[in-house]
Amino acid sequence: GAGVSQSPRYKVTKRGQDVALRCDPISGHVSLYWYRQALGQGPEFLTYFNYEAQQDKSGLPNDRFSAERPEGSISTLTIQRTEQRDSAMYRCASSLKTGRSSYEQYFGPGTRLTVT
Amino acid sequence: TQLLEQSPQFLSIQEGENLTVYCNSSSVFSSLQWYRQEPGEGPVLLVTVVTGGEVKKLKRLTFQFGDARKDSSLHITAAQPGDTGLYLCAAWIGYSTLTFGKGTMLLVSP
Repeated sequence: GAGVSQSPRYKVTKRGQDVALRCDPISGHVSLYWYRQALGQGPEFLTYFNYEAQQDKSGLPNDRFSAERPEGSISTLTIQRTEQRDSAMYRCASSLKTGRSSYEQYFGPGTRLTVT
Repeated sequence: TQLLEQSPQFLSIQEGENLTVYCNSSSVFSSLQWYRQEPGEGPVLLVTVVTGGEVKKLKRLTFQFGDARKDSSLHITAAQPGDTGLYLCAAWIGYSTLTFGKGTMLLVSP
């Protein structure tokens, strides 16, 4: 079946512009996670949803970052007034249910964001 | 301060060699996961270890969870070029937040 998809795969934007990154999870997966990953390092947690409810946004760096999942399926991560330090790979993952070792997270291919 | 410390950061070996990578913490975890990430792809789960002292084998890969559930190791026997990738350990913080180590980048040359 189809895995997690993300779009766009690459995004180049100018400093100060807003960007919206999209994640389409595996059908039927309840939980959806957003991560940011620097090159050659592990993913860093940003936020996660169960269905349409944002359960934890403690990893969002500041209030320029926001995320939504209005219908409990597709999610959008929005970065307002982008800065060069926002440049990174943004990954989405989904799991059948939330939490712990019982439920594997399936990662998408990521969106490479470059802020010039 | 990194919750999960992985070592070494980078490892370059020849095909057929054995290797061990480590994941250490001062915290106790209920479980710990290992992922492999190939270039240009997202991480893929290899194994979850749950019980202190547990050993799990996945073909040529052997995973061990420390008795105190603070650390874990991954041993690869007779490494192959297809094993090349970033190996990540991860642990659940709270109920639903998965935190990752910085990873070990493994390069296996033919």
